[in-house]
Amino acid sequence: QITLKESGPTLVKPTQTLTLTCTFSGFSLSTSGVGVGWIRQPPGKALEWLALIYWDDDKRYSPSLKSRLTITKDTSKNQVVLTMTNMDPVDTATYYCAHFNYYGSGRYAFDIWGQGTMVTVSS
Amino acid sequence: EIVLTQSPGTLSLSPGERATLSCRASQSVSSSYLAWYQQKPGQAPRLLIYGASSRATGIPDRFSGSGSGTDFTLTISRLEPEDFAVYYCQQYGSSIFTFGPGTKVDIK
Repeated sequence: QITLKESGPTLVKPTQTLTLTCTFSGFSLSTSGVGVGWIRQPPGKALEWLALIYWDDDKRYSPSLKSRLTITKDTSKNQVVLTMTNMDPVDTATYYCAHFNYYGSGRYAFDIWGQGTMVTVSS
Repeated sequence: EIVLTQSPGTLSLSPGERATLSCRASQSVSSSYLAWYQQKPGQAPRLLIYGASSRATGIPDRFSGSGSGTDFTLTISRLEPEDFAVYYCQQYGSSIFTFGPGTKVDIK
């Protein structure tokens, strides 16, 4: 059974750097085709993809946030870490990590999601 | 960047009715990279459909996906009380993911 859980601060000040950790179980991030992604959702708004890291350490970022994001993995600890610099109140959102699954024939999707963690940016 | 548009924004229906949700892309999307998610208040999204038409594990067969190119559809054949939620389409193209703005299905 695959599970993921996000952890990190619930409150950050403007201009600070946010560090979120996704701790997972039930799969290995060294398995070919697998990835872990981060997606956020401001209150009452739609989902927004942030970043993805693949089993081979290939990384992808949202073009609009690329300069502020870094995603890394620690395979031995079953963790993926997302850092976002220069936080602003508009970054207030629930942040989710999700397992990125390869179904074959070129088909992918985020099939298992963590419960999410709410981050508020305020002074 | 591919932009996804979903319509309608809100769909008001009664249990037992059929729901048809649309997702339109600003440019052609590979069917392999089109997915649908359901989200209920206070919960994380749940994968319904991947590859435009394949149901994820445990998803009832009243949910079906179709489409190709720039036009995709999620159909719920007969709405159950637990199906009233927000639905998002998502695509993965050129190594970039985008989500649509969502369609809320509420009780009429």
